Amino acid sequence: GENVEQHPSTLSVQEGDSAVIKCTYSDSASNYFPWYKQELGKRPQLIIDIRSNVGEKKDQRIAVTLNKTAKHFSLHITETQPEDSAVYFCAASTSYAGGTSYGKLTFGQGTILTVHP
Amino acid sequence: NAGVTQTPKFQVLKTGQSMTLQCAQDMNHEYMSWYRQDPGMGLRLIHYSVGAGITDQGEVPNGYNVSRSTTEDFPLRLLSAAPSQTSVYFCASSYGQGMGYTFGSGTRLTVV
Repeated sequence: GENVEQHPSTLSVQEGDSAVIKCTYSDSASNYFPWYKQELGKRPQLIIDIRSNVGEKKDQRIAVTLNKTAKHFSLHITETQPEDSAVYFCAASTSYAGGTSYGKLTFGQGTILTVHP
Repeated sequence: NAGVTQTPKFQVLKTGQSMTLQCAQDMNHEYMSWYRQDPGMGLRLIHYSVGAGITDQGEVPNGYNVSRSTTEDFPLRLLSAAPSQTSVYFCASSYGQGMGYTFGSGTRLTVV
């Protein structure tokens, strides 16, 4: 099955700096890559996603890039703010036509991002 | 539109007891999943469903059962609770492949 590795496990930055979180995946059939933000005690919330037919996607201060050849994707946050402090998860899913594995979303282990004022 | 609703929010069980965690969504989502979240372990998939009557196992299915008799509901049953099942459980739903999952607010379960 799919395996998603996420690095780093913790990331500390100063307010205004950029933050980059990287993920690799194992299944070349994976074609959907969402990112979730989870604040302390809250549920994970989708912040951005990318599909395999796109190399990069931006939404204000956040962007995601995808390298299908190398099987890795990254989250970029620019001009970080204290409210960006949270745990960030990457994930991957496939679109197999057979069986039900297309319903599976596999998560990375998470990155604790701390933005210091 | 309530989204994904999980009940209860907190539960304490004794070892060996059984219980059902409830999950309901009102968004007409086809896909539903159950995850458990333990410190340092991320979100691990327990069971998932791609439609009513269709379920499959995730990476940590042992000790849990699911059924999907309707599109709206996806209950998770703990057969005989063990301390190792102490965790936060999240239910999530999605329109389908290539669409983001919406998470419920979670159930914090403690097994003593």
